Amino acid sequence: AQRVTQPEKLLSVFKGAPVELKCNYSYSGSPELFWYVQYSRQRLQLLLRHISRESIKGFTADLNKGETSFHLKKPFAQEEDSAMYYCALRRNNNDMRFGAGTRLTVKP
Amino acid sequence: SAVISQKPSRDICQRGTSLTIQCQVDSQVTMMFWYRQQPGQSLTLIATANQGSEATYESGFVIDKFPISRPNLTFSTLTVSNMSPEDSSIYLCSVGLAGGELFFGEGSRLTVL
Repeated sequence: AQRVTQPEKLLSVFKGAPVELKCNYSYSGSPELFWYVQYSRQRLQLLLRHISRESIKGFTADLNKGETSFHLKKPFAQEEDSAMYYCALRRNNNDMRFGAGTRLTVKP
Repeated sequence: SAVISQKPSRDICQRGTSLTIQCQVDSQVTMMFWYRQQPGQSLTLIATANQGSEATYESGFVIDKFPISRPNLTFSTLTVSNMSPEDSSIYLCSVGLAGGELFFGEGSRLTVL
């Protein structure tokens, strides 16, 4: 079964604190994983993908095949990071299976 | 990248009626996807709409309820038929480009009374 699990629906941290949004997946093939973000009143957009191995807005995510995880991390959270974050798995036919999402709130 | 326009952005409909949502893309794309996002829920794929072929529906979604058209490489429509309050949701059009990234429209927020 192809599944993406985000165990935390809500996550709240203070500005400047580290943040980690958890994502676990199950997939029989070689996974392609993404993080999408939706800021208030904006459309859903790509944040980063595991293939690129890049840091976007200070966020990084490492694919751990042993633990089947793709956690999103940022060492120092900012208030503008407050948003809804979705972990997603790309399937063979190019569509995405999304996790339930985590709403991150960064408090001043 | 791709710019996607959806119409209507929101609507309030009566039970038993049908509504057609339009999706226009600023470039030619092979794959278009329709998702549903129910209140407080994640995105669920309804169907994949490729130009020149019938749409492929996910488990739990049927053509009679959600007919889809894909007349060309820049346009698609999704109809929500015989609506009930359970169909109240945000419906999202998206396109997939090389590299796997999906681009999304702003969504159509549907409320069924």
